[in-house]
Amino acid sequence: DAKTTQPTSMDCAEGRAANLPCNHSTISGNEYVYWYRQIHSQGPQYIIHGLKNNETNEMASLIITEDRKSSTLILPHATLRDTAVYYCIVRARQETSYDKVIFGPGTSLSVIP
Amino acid sequence: SQTIHQWPATLVQPVGSPLSLECTVEGTSNPNLYWYRQAAGRGLQLLFYSVGIGQISSEVPQNLSASRPQDRQFILSSKKLLLSDSGFYLCAWSLVSYEQYFGPGTRLTVT
Repeated sequence: DAKTTQPTSMDCAEGRAANLPCNHSTISGNEYVYWYRQIHSQGPQYIIHGLKNNETNEMASLIITEDRKSSTLILPHATLRDTAVYYCIVRARQETSYDKVIFGPGTSLSVIP
Repeated sequence: SQTIHQWPATLVQPVGSPLSLECTVEGTSNPNLYWYRQAAGRGLQLLFYSVGIGQISSEVPQNLSASRPQDRQFILSSKKLLLSDSGFYLCAWSLVSYEQYFGPGTRLTVT
C-alpha cells in the first residue's frame, strides 16, 4: 500500500472551512484514498473515500488532484466537535475477503472558537 | 444496525499479570475482525486480523495473542504483560468493503 504524508497539526477557526492536505505521490492506479478521524479517546470514524473523482457526503468533501498524487479533505463549516486527528490512507481493494487499514500519525486538527 | 462492543473501557494491570480483552460485534455475520494498538500520540498499529472463526493472522511479533472462538467474538490476550504493552487497544470490524468500524477502545496501563 502507498504511504501518505500529512502535516502534523493544523488550526482552524470555528465556522470556517478546514482544508486538510494529504500527499500520496506513489499511489497506484487501483488504490483508493480514505479518510478517517479519531476524536480523543474514541475509536476512529470513517469519513469518506474516493478513487479519482471528487466526492461529497454529509460529513465532508474529498478533492483528489488529477494526477492523484495528493488530496484534500474539506470540512466546510468546522465546529468545535471536529477537533480530532484526521488520517489519510491509500490502499487497494484486496483480492481476498479481508482488508487491512494501516494508520499513520495523521493530522491533529484543532478548531478554535 | 451493526454495533461493536469492547470491554473493559479502562484497565490497570501490574507487570507480569495476564490480560484478556474482549470484543463482540452485533448485527452482522462473518465479519473481518481486527485488533489495533495506539501508543500515546502515535498512529494505529495493526496487531491481529481474522477472516473467520479460528483464523488469526499476526502483523507484528509481540507479547500478545488473539483468538476468535465465535463468529462475532474476538479476544486479545497475554500471559504476562510488559510495560510496553500499555496503550489504547481498538477492535474493528469490516465486511468485504473498504470501511472499517471501530469500537470504543480499551485504555490499558501496565504498572
